[in-house]
Amino acid sequence: AQSVTQLDSQVPVFEEAPVELRCNYSSSVSVYLFWYVQYPNQGLQLLLKYLSGSTLVKGINGFEAEFNKSQTSFHLRKPSVHISDTAEYFCAVSDDGQNFVFGPGTRLSVLP
Amino acid sequence: DSGVTQTPKHLITATGQRVTLRCSPRSGDLSVYWYQQSLDQGLQFLIHYYNGEERAKGNILERFSAQQFPDLHSELNLSSLELGDSALYFCASSVDRWQVNTEAFFGQGTRLTVV
Repeated sequence: AQSVTQLDSQVPVFEEAPVELRCNYSSSVSVYLFWYVQYPNQGLQLLLKYLSGSTLVKGINGFEAEFNKSQTSFHLRKPSVHISDTAEYFCAVSDDGQNFVFGPGTRLSVLP
Repeated sequence: DSGVTQTPKHLITATGQRVTLRCSPRSGDLSVYWYQQSLDQGLQFLIHYYNGEERAKGNILERFSAQQFPDLHSELNLSSLELGDSALYFCASSVDRWQVNTEAFFGQGTRLTVV
């Protein structure tokens, strides 16, 4: 069985400051890792995913994430956030690209 | 606009009733995924269909069922509804069977309220 932990339910940050949203997972098999963003009243949108290879993954909107196998983590980072980044962010794992397990989400609030 | 259409957008129904949620995938997409998002359970994967066949099951209750039709649209049927079934139900579609080399695009969801 797989599980995903997102330690921070809410993260407030000032505009143009850096941000890190944490994600840890547990799995007995190799997994694919994903970050999704959900804007208010919208469906999810894929930010980035780790399949294999380089542990640093770059995604859309200036986000990147680093896969750390030893720490079973996949933290999401952005060096400078904008007001428009205010949204809910979900980390997810899948061992087959079909069945997904999501974390509880982190609400990012970017303050002016 | 993701190109994935879900109807209806809102649905209010009573306990014990049955409802059907509809999802039209993007043109050319063969996969449809269903997800439930609720305050209690968070975001959960329910079921995946690829080209008309069920391919993966997640935390889908026995009272729920789904199917994908020859024109590739999908329906999620929820029966004997309980208050706890109140949630936002999303569908997503993708070209491939696996969301590995391709991206899934999400609809805006159907908000179900059971009273």
